[in-house]
Amino acid sequence: TQLLEQSPQFLSIQEGENLTVYCNSSSVFSSLQWYRQEPGEGPVLLVTVVTGGEVKKLKRLTFQFGDARKDSSLHITAAQPGDTGLYLCARAGFNKFYFGSGTKLNVKP
Amino acid sequence: EPEVTQTPSHQVTQMGQEVILRCVPISNHLYFYWYRQILGQKVEFLVSFYNNEISEKSEIFDDQFSVERPDGSNFTLKIRSTKLEDSAMYFCASTSGWFNEQFFGPGTRLTVL
Repeated sequence: TQLLEQSPQFLSIQEGENLTVYCNSSSVFSSLQWYRQEPGEGPVLLVTVVTGGEVKKLKRLTFQFGDARKDSSLHITAAQPGDTGLYLCARAGFNKFYFGSGTKLNVKP
Repeated sequence: EPEVTQTPSHQVTQMGQEVILRCVPISNHLYFYWYRQILGQKVEFLVSFYNNEISEKSEIFDDQFSVERPDGSNFTLKIRSTKLEDSAMYFCASTSGWFNEQFFGPGTRLTVL
């Protein structure tokens, strides 16, 4: 089993605060994806990171892939209530797909 | 914009009954998946399907589960004899390649009584 551990499990913050969530594994990834899932819906892809040390920005979201390609982080600047949701990291394997345990984010207005 | 669709959105069934969950993947995708998400828990891989056959399945996908692509558009998940613990959201996904972005349907909420 290719375990992806995410932390924290839950995060409740005020609008305007910054936050970071983490995704860790003992295995090396060839690539890693971050998804966001809203209640009652399927996950939606945010970004794919491929190169060790890579940083990608998506508006107020910054994604980083660790140098050793075993971990990744998602940083949100000035969180907004619309950022509320479940954030999942995931890795694609040949014919199988592994999701992390998820971080449930609640941004209070 | 093309999207994955799933029906029904909610299915309530009695324990021991058979259910069929339906998915219409994105039309030019060739790789399909089913996932399960028990309330409040992680998204779990069930099975992947390519070229009209199962490519990989998890330990959850036992003999009670089966998948089928009965025609060129539908992709179905059948649970032969449902158990209480099968209650969950079931998501279908499709992709153009094993390592590419997966597109998820809105899910079917299965409630087994």
